[in-house]
Order: sequence, then C-alpha cells, then structure tokens
Amino acid sequence: DIQMTQSPSSLSASVGDRVTITCRASQSISSYLNWYQQKPGKAPKLLIYAASSLQSGVPSRFSGSGSGTDFTLTISSLQPEDFATYYCQQSYSPFTFGPGTKVDIK
Amino acid sequence: QLQLQESGPGLVKPSETLSLTCTVSGGSISSSSYYWGWIRQPPGKGLEWIGSIYYSGSTYYNPSLKSRVTISVDTSKNQFSLKLSSVTAADTAVYYCARQAIMITFGGVIAIDYWGQGTLVTVSS
Repeated sequence: DIQMTQSPSSLSASVGDRVTITCRASQSISSYLNWYQQKPGKAPKLLIYAASSLQSGVPSRFSGSGSGTDFTLTISSLQPEDFATYYCQQSYSPFTFGPGTKVDIK
Repeated sequence: QLQLQESGPGLVKPSETLSLTCTVSGGSISSSSYYWGWIRQPPGKGLEWIGSIYYSGSTYYNPSLKSRVTISVDTSKNQFSLKLSSVTAADTAVYYCARQAIMITFGGVIAIDYWGQGTLVTVSS
C-alpha cells in the first residue's frame, strides 16, 4: 500500500502570509496527486489535481507542484476563507489520503 | 448541477451491517468518465477511502476494509450503494459518497470533484 505523509500537521498563519504544505508518498506516484480543502462540518473541495492543475473556480493563489514522491501546495497570500484543513490524496494505486494539515489563524 | 445525496440509517448496532445508498441527480451514473466512491471520516479525524465502483460494476476496495465491504450500482435508479458488515464502534464516521473524475488528458489521474453532504453513522447498541 502507498502511504502518504503531510507536514506540518498544523500551522498558524496570518492573512496575507505565504503558506506551503508538503506531501510525501512512500513510493513514486508520478503526478497522481490531488489536494483538497475541508472546512468544519463540510465535505472536502477539490483544489488541485494531477499535482499542479487548478480545479475550475479555485482562486489562482492556490498552486501545486511536484512529482514522484514529493509534492507541495502553496497559498500565495492567505485569505480569511482559507483557514481550513488541507489533504493530499494519491490516485496511483488505488487511493490514499494524507493525514491532513490544519491551517489556523495566528 | 450534479448532486449526490446519501441515505440510510444513522444508527447501527455492533456486529450488524451498515447500508447506505447514494442517489445521483443532475447527471448520469452510466458515464464512462467517472468512478463512484465512498469515503468516510471518523469524528475529529482524517479521510479514509472505502471503495469505488465503475458503472459497469467493476469495484476497487481499500485493502484494509475489503473483507467487509460491498459496493454495488443500480444504473436504472442512478444510485450506488455501500454495505459494510460486522461493524464496530471504530466504524462510526461521517460517510460521504462522491464522484471520481478520470482526467484522461492528465494520464488518467482520478480526482474527487463532487461530494455528497455526508451522513453520520454511529455504531452503538
């Protein structure tokens, strides 16, 4: 089974900050990596698919990069509505989520 | 606009079988471009993929749950269903149904682009 890890598990940031979240796979998954945002009491929302493609309707301050085993999600300028938990997910074989990174207000 | 709606009992007794149905509206479950899946989230914890089904009936299950899971599809009703047997308190979670889009132009990456609102299932006597 492919295991996914994320770092950090949580972070505190201010509005306007640049935020980077890292996701690592236990083996190469090429670019079969997606990122989701989840707010309390809500279903997750797709942000990035195929490691770096922005889902329709998602603000351009979100970006993704990486391939193989190491991936990053970057929020270029954190907005109030971005405080949430972020999950990576691999779809290489077959599907596994990372443990999540909670972004809260400093 | 595509919508997915989970339905089923919110309380299941230990050792019994959890059964949920997802009704899809605003789109056809018979499209070759999608899988249809179940994901769960225990209270205060992360997301766990349970399994997925293609409209043809092909299924893919989480190895850790495979012995207890059955997912089926009813294309005539535009629904797919989950059965999880021999449940324990550890199966208490919010259960989501979801559409998984196959991104052909991106090498077949599969991403969950639509989710149901989720339904809390509690396992307790």
